[in-house]
Amino acid sequence: SQQGEEDPQALSIQEGENATMNCSYKTSINNLQWYRQNSGRGLVHLILIRSNEREKHSGRLRVTLDTSKKSSSLLITASRAADTASYFCATTMEYGNKLVFGAGTILRVKS
Amino acid sequence: NAGVTQTPKFRVLKTGQSMTLLCAQDMNHEYMYWYRQDPGMGLRLIHYSVGEGTTAKGEVPDGYNVSRLKKQNFLLGLESAAPSQTSVYFCASSPTGKQYFGPGTRLLVL
Repeated sequence: SQQGEEDPQALSIQEGENATMNCSYKTSINNLQWYRQNSGRGLVHLILIRSNEREKHSGRLRVTLDTSKKSSSLLITASRAADTASYFCATTMEYGNKLVFGAGTILRVKS
Repeated sequence: NAGVTQTPKFRVLKTGQSMTLLCAQDMNHEYMYWYRQDPGMGLRLIHYSVGEGTTAKGEVPDGYNVSRLKKQNFLLGLESAAPSQTSVYFCASSPTGKQYFGPGTRLLVL
């Protein structure tokens, strides 16, 4: 069964707007990662946040982690048409290096 | 560096046929993984390896076998393909933490 669940399932915004995607998970984790997948392509790693971190930034990306609520959010600021893709959160359990993926959020940025 | 490559890119099989998917990485990563992705779903782990000569089952291992005879290669085998195995298969490798994905293999089983 999937550990993470993303919300919303799909999101459509205008270029320049911010996009926020949420991820909830069920069990204790070592870290949480976000990946992007363009249509028909492999996944690309965006950012990793460890369980003892609360916020992390990378360029236009901002990720937060709330371990008490077992949730994370990915914020993409000033979105571009090129940000159109599916975004997945994935968690690594406290022990082991396996990732468990959520079902993803489909983001469409209209120009 | 080529990163993670997968062979073939696309394949059509008939029910009962066998095939092997090849994953190769040139980053000297210890960990390698095979996932399948079905429409509207995230990736599900089939098998993985924590080093040369080791393999372990993931979430959905039934109907698949794997081998990691060389550190850079991870093979996924289907002994008797079934229509339920129609999917897109992704290989990934990792030193630890972040995973690097291949471009995927589309498999259609008729």
